This record gives sequence, C-alpha cells and structure tokens, in this order.
Amino acid sequence: AQSVSQHNHHVILSEAASLELGCNYSYGGTVNLFWYVQYPGQHLQLLLKYFSGDPLVKGIKGFEAEFIKSKFSFNLRKPSMQWSDTAEYFCAVTSNTGKLIFGQGTTLQVKP
Amino acid sequence: GAGVSQSPSNKVTEKGKDVELRCDPISGHTALYWYRQSLGQGLEFLIYFQGNSAPDKSGLPSDRFSAERTGGSVSTLTIQRTQQEDSAVYLCASSFLSSGRSDTQYFGPGTRLTVL
Repeated sequence: AQSVSQHNHHVILSEAASLELGCNYSYGGTVNLFWYVQYPGQHLQLLLKYFSGDPLVKGIKGFEAEFIKSKFSFNLRKPSMQWSDTAEYFCAVTSNTGKLIFGQGTTLQVKP
Repeated sequence: GAGVSQSPSNKVTEKGKDVELRCDPISGHTALYWYRQSLGQGLEFLIYFQGNSAPDKSGLPSDRFSAERTGGSVSTLTIQRTQQEDSAVYLCASSFLSSGRSDTQYFGPGTRLTVL
C-alpha cells in the first residue's frame, strides 16, 4: 500500500534558522509529490509540487524541495525561517486515481 | 477567480442525526475529492468523483457515509446516524484535468463537524 512518512511531528525553530523537513514515500510507480501548508485558521494551500524534470523544485515563500528517487524522499527546505512560516506542513503523493495520500503532518513553530 | 467553497463552515449535531455537507468546486474542474482531517487520523481520503461518477470510494469509513455529485459540479457528502467518531473537519478539493494523478488539487476551507 502507498504511504507517506514525515519524520518530524513537531518542530520549533528560531527566526533566521534553516529548515529541513523529511518526507519519505512508498509507491512503486511514477509519483507526483506535493507539499501543502496550513497556516493557523486557514485552509490547505499548495507550497510546491514535483511532477517530472528537475528534481529540485521551488515553491512559494522561498521554500524548495528535492526529489531523490533512489531514497524515495522529497524533503522540504528553507534557508531562513520567518515567524509567519508558523504552520502545519503536509507531504503528499498522488495515487493512480489522483487521490492524495498524506503524511502525518509537521507542526512547525517559529519563534521571533 | 473563486476558489472551492464549502458549507456550512461549522456543524454541531447530536449523535444519531443525519448531516449533509456541501462542496462547490472551482468552475470547470472535473475532478472532486473529499477528505477528512481529524486529530488522531490526520488527513484521510474519502471519495473521488470524475464528473458525476465516483470511481474511487475506497476511503468511505462505513455505509453510513455516502456522496453524490450532480451536473459535474456541486457535491454533497451525507453522513447518516452520526457517531462521535465522525467529528472532524471535512475537506473538499477539486482539480482541472481528468487524468487525476498529475493534477494539483485546490482545497476548500472545510466543514468542522462536531457530534455531541
């Protein structure tokens, strides 16, 4: 069965610190990978996505993620965090039917 | 343009009652998805519509849950004889292309269901 695993469930960082959130997936076929973000009181928004091509993808607000096929990973990074990045982050992969399979989510708190 | 909308935004009901949750997808989006977000289970897929048909209902947790989509647009998720474990935020998402797997899904704000 397809699955997504996020390594960190709760992360606390100070402003200007760098971020890396781990995500590994289990899926035998061609994958499309996503990071979604949910800011407090808001709905899920797409942060970035990988369909094909350059494995290093850039998203909104300075986020990027690297698809490493050999490691089944799609880690999210940002070099310098801001207080406004406080949110919950979800890694996801699509199945053959297009449904999203989500990881457990990471609650990220950035302290000013 | 307008995003995915859902109604009601909050619903409080008593155990055993039926509830209906509505989703209005982005205009022109052919695919529509329902998910559930709860504390213990995270984000779970419920059902997927392509047009008015539902080729994937594998995530519906029991036969108390059903959904329909009419006119290739609005969808309704119905929960019969609600139980306390049904309490969650129910999310709807839509995407443009029919192929499914490669499409970006856009989410609505959700309906928070509380079963007393």
